[in-house]
Amino acid sequence: AQTVTQSQPEMSVQEAETVTLSCTYDTSESDYYLFWYKQPPSRQMILVIRQEAYKQQNATENRFSVNFQKAAKSFSLKISDSQLGDAAMYFCAYRSAEGGSEKLVFGKGTKLTVNP
Amino acid sequence: EAGVTQSPTHLIKTRGQQATLRCSPISGHTSVYWYQQALGLGLQFLLWYDEGEERNRGNFPPRFSGRQFPNYSSELNVNALELEDSALYLCASSFYMSSYNEQFFGPGTRLTVL
Repeated sequence: AQTVTQSQPEMSVQEAETVTLSCTYDTSESDYYLFWYKQPPSRQMILVIRQEAYKQQNATENRFSVNFQKAAKSFSLKISDSQLGDAAMYFCAYRSAEGGSEKLVFGKGTKLTVNP
Repeated sequence: EAGVTQSPTHLIKTRGQQATLRCSPISGHTSVYWYQQALGLGLQFLLWYDEGEERNRGNFPPRFSGRQFPNYSSELNVNALELEDSALYLCASSFYMSSYNEQFFGPGTRLTVL
């Protein structure tokens, strides 16, 4: 079974600075997807960024980028120019690319605080 | 475009009762997923429905069940409630045949079992 580990229960960053959230995962599969989700205090989970395992290029979405190291099974999220609105729980998630297994496997989350 | 909606927002039950949670997916989405977010346990996959059929089930006892209706909305039923069932229950929807099958989440139902 796949597992996702987020080793940082809490992180804090100063506004306008850069922060990196860590995520490692364990799988025997070669094809899969990785995601970072954000859950603000209002609870609605939204997708921040995704990465296909077969793509070597790291995904980027505006101020959010990932460092995907397939061999190390590592998938960290970098937030540049942090804003107050970035404060939230961040969840790393894995999904198999095999048909019939659409469930997301989540890490336990990292609570990000952004200090003004 | 309306997002995933869930009702009720909060639900308070006593141990042994039954709870019914509802989810309406985004228009055009055929798949509905249920996740449990319990304190200290993170998010755990419960059920996946697509085109009215249960496609996959997480490691939960049979008293967690559900269904998907012809309009793709879904119900999650939890029978014989236990104190540890207290959690935020999140519903997500997706269009299964899309490229990434991205799951869009609803705001959740907070279930409290007393």
